[in-house]
Amino acid sequence: AQKVTQAQTEISVVEKEDVTLDCVYETRDTTYYLFWYKQPPSGELVFLIRRNSFDEQNEISGRYSWNFQKSTSSFNFTITASQVVDSAVYFCALSEGGDSSYKLIFGSGTRLLVRP
Amino acid sequence: DTGVSQDPRHKITKRGQNVTFRCDPISEHNRLYWYRQTLGQGPEFLTYFQNEAQLEKSRLLSDRFSAERPKGSFSTLEIQRTEQGDSAMYLCASSPGQSPLTYEQYFGPGTRLTVT
Repeated sequence: AQKVTQAQTEISVVEKEDVTLDCVYETRDTTYYLFWYKQPPSGELVFLIRRNSFDEQNEISGRYSWNFQKSTSSFNFTITASQVVDSAVYFCALSEGGDSSYKLIFGSGTRLLVRP
Repeated sequence: DTGVSQDPRHKITKRGQNVTFRCDPISEHNRLYWYRQTLGQGPEFLTYFQNEAQLEKSRLLSDRFSAERPKGSFSTLEIQRTEQGDSAMYLCASSPGQSPLTYEQYFGPGTRLTVT
């Protein structure tokens, strides 16, 4: 069965520290898509990235980087030089290629608090 | 291009009352999704539309819940005879859905329902 696990419930760092948010997924599909969303205190989920199962290339976007490793079924998210504005709940999600709805299966989220 | 909008943003109702929420997706997005998010959890899939057709419903969607997307544009989610367990954030998302490379879902701000 499909599942997304975010074992870190809450992380607290001081501004400018680097922080990595872990995500482990389970799926039997060979084609699938992985996502990260940010949910700031305002509540609206903001799309950050999509990764396809057939593309293991890591990605960097500004201070954000993502490490996708199929061998360990992980899709970790690193924020470099964290800022107070990064404080939010971050969700990892999975969508399976064999599911025509492509609905998202979310983890339980990691709350990140960046202290000044 | 405006984002996904939802109305109302907050709804307080008494147990046993009916409530209806509205979602306006990003224009020309074929796919529309409803999710429910309870405190401290990730969103859970409720139902999905491709244009006006409702193609999948979660087991979470009891008989008291009904959703429509009559003209393939906006959607409504109705809950009849509300129960306290229905208290949650109801999120709507849309995606272009033209190809697997466009399956990112964009979320609205949500409707927070409180059943007293």
